[in-house]
Amino acid sequence: KQEVTQIPAALSVPEGENLVLNCSFTDSAIYNLQWFRQDPGKGLTSLLLIQSSQREQTSGRLNASLDKSSGRSTLYIAASQPGDSATYLCAVSPEFPTSGTYKYIFGTGTRLKVLA
Amino acid sequence: DAGVTQSPTHLIKTRGQQVTLRCSPKSGHDTVSWYQQALGQGPQFIFQYYEEEERQRGNFPDRFSGHQFPNYSSELNVNALLLGDSALYLCASRPGQGAGEQFFGPGTRLTVL
Repeated sequence: KQEVTQIPAALSVPEGENLVLNCSFTDSAIYNLQWFRQDPGKGLTSLLLIQSSQREQTSGRLNASLDKSSGRSTLYIAASQPGDSATYLCAVSPEFPTSGTYKYIFGTGTRLKVLA
Repeated sequence: DAGVTQSPTHLIKTRGQQVTLRCSPKSGHDTVSWYQQALGQGPQFIFQYYEEEERQRGNFPDRFSGHQFPNYSSELNVNALLLGDSALYLCASRPGQGAGEQFFGPGTRLTVL
């Protein structure tokens, strides 16, 4: 059974710091991995999608890497800003879907607070 | 493009009641999935609809049921509500049955008293 873990559960940093959020998964047979941002009480905003054949994806100040064989992904945020404060979730899709359908298995998230 | 939309935004019910939540997928998307997110937890997969049929179900009781309409919109129904059903319910859509990117709606916050 696939399990997704995110460490740390919470993180507080001063503005301007570069930071790394970690996501690990127990079954390396994944099709893709997606990072999301969630503001309090809101829905999920997609940040980056990494296919299993890719090593990393970049968007602005965000860079996500994937090491499928070791079951790990990291989200790197450069020059953090107070507006980056949110919960960051990672989710994986299994490589071999059940009934031909792909679902996401989520971690519990990392709550980030960037202090001005 | 309005993206994925959900209604209502918030809902308060009492134990034992029934509730219906609605989702309109992003334009061009025909696969809809529902997730339940309890406070402080990651979303949990409830079920997925494609071509008006339930294609896969997560570990949720039969009190949770759904429907997909010919225009691809979807409903989530929960019967005999329990306090533990209080959560944010998220709808996600994607085109087809592949493993492409899913797009999520803003969610419906359900509170059961």
